[in-house]
Amino acid sequence: DAGVIQSPRHEVTEMGQEVTLRCKPISGHDYLFWYRQTMMRGLELLIYFNNNVPIDDSGMPEDRFSAKMPNASFSTLKIQPSEPRDSAVYFCASSLVGDTQYFGPGTRLTVL
Amino acid sequence: GENVEQHPSTLSVQEGDSAVIKCTYSDSASNYFPWYKQELGKRPQLIIDIRSNVGEKKDQRIAVTLNKTAKHFSLHITETQPEDSAVYFCAASKIMIYGGSQGNLIFGKGTKLSVKP
Repeated sequence: DAGVIQSPRHEVTEMGQEVTLRCKPISGHDYLFWYRQTMMRGLELLIYFNNNVPIDDSGMPEDRFSAKMPNASFSTLKIQPSEPRDSAVYFCASSLVGDTQYFGPGTRLTVL
Repeated sequence: GENVEQHPSTLSVQEGDSAVIKCTYSDSASNYFPWYKQELGKRPQLIIDIRSNVGEKKDQRIAVTLNKTAKHFSLHITETQPEDSAVYFCAASKIMIYGGSQGNLIFGKGTKLSVKP
């Protein structure tokens, strides 16, 4: 298995632009998690899905952030409009039954 | 909600020495405790985990201990090597008996381990 796949690996954009991050979980995994990592705040859970249904989105910073999982093999995290403080590494992780999580390589987002 | 405290934030050891990282959690219902290793610029990777029905688990040079009464768990690395240098994260979660999660993983802030040759 290729593991969790994320794209793009790097994204540089200007403030106010829309950013879309993509994730393909490991085939057969029922759980998908989106995290944000910064030096100041560490690893923060933004949202997680179980069987494509959002279960907990309490970590989503504000209405500028949205996430979808239209099917079992694809999820997106969208930021609109983006702001410099959104600069971080965004990780997607998947899990078979909700315990062990396997992380993707991450997307390094820079908002200028 | 759950809160996980991790100490120390940085740890420097000589090659061959042991390293110990400690975490405490607040929710007595938490029953799953993984440890992740993150090398610079890479993704967090699971190195070992323990469930609340076990007090200790070992995998070669790595061991984890759990004290449910005191609500703390620790990572022990023996005979450290330079390639052990990384940031280590502990986490806690509630897992249902027949699978499934009652909540997300709550991570500690991380410990930066440096192993000097």
